[in-house]
Amino acid sequence: GDSVTQMEGPVTLSEEAFLTINCTYTATGYPSLFWYVQYPGEGLQLLLKATKADDKGSNKGFEATYRKETTSFHLEKGSVQVSDSAVYFCALSDLRGGSNYKLTFGKGTLLTVNP
Amino acid sequence: DGGITQSPKYLFRKEGQNVTLSCEQNLNHDAMYWYRQDPGQGLRLIYYSQIVNDFQKGDIAEGYSVSREKKESFPLTVTSAQKNPTAFYLCASSRGQITNQPQHFGDGTRLSIL
Repeated sequence: GDSVTQMEGPVTLSEEAFLTINCTYTATGYPSLFWYVQYPGEGLQLLLKATKADDKGSNKGFEATYRKETTSFHLEKGSVQVSDSAVYFCALSDLRGGSNYKLTFGKGTLLTVNP
Repeated sequence: DGGITQSPKYLFRKEGQNVTLSCEQNLNHDAMYWYRQDPGQGLRLIYYSQIVNDFQKGDIAEGYSVSREKKESFPLTVTSAQKNPTAFYLCASSRGQITNQPQHFGDGTRLSIL
C-alpha cells in the first residue's frame, strides 16, 4: 500500500537557519504530494503541493520539489522564523484511476525555532 | 469566510457513553473526512464520504459511526465500543475525488475519558 516516511523530530533550529525536512514515499499510482503545517491546538493547513514529477511547490518561503526518481518531496526553507514553529506533515494522494481520493500522511515532524 | 467548523473544541466521555462530534462546512465541498490524531502517530482515516447519503470506512472505523444526510454536515459518533477514544479528532473536506484538490481541515475536537 501507499506510505509516507518523514524524518523524525523534534528539529530545533535558531532563527534564520536553513531548514530541511526529508520526506520519501511509496505509491503504486501517480500520486500528488502535499506538505501540511499544524500549529499548536489547531487543525492542519495546506502549505504547498505538487501534482506531477519535477513540479516545485512553494509558499511563505517554503519549497519542495517532486522527485520521482528518488520518490522524495523534501521541504526546505532558507531562513526560518520563530513563527514557523509547528508540526509539519508530508502527505500523498493516490487517485488509483479516480475511484478513491485518500490522503496518506507521514507521522509529522515537530519544528521548534528559537530566537 | 468559508471554512470548516468543528464543535465542541473539548469533549469528555464517561465509560459506556456514546458521544457525537459535529463537523459543518460551508465550502460547498462534496467530500468530507474524519481523522484521528494520536501523538507520534500522524493522522489515521476513520471514515470518509464522497457524496450525500454515502460513506466508506477508512483504516480505523471500528467503534465509530457517521452519517451524511446533508452536504454541509458529517457528524462522527464515538461509540462505547471504541475502547481507546482519547485523541484529537480532525474533520476535513475537499472538492471531490476527480481532481487532486487539497483537503481543508477544521480546528479539531479533543476527546478525553472521564
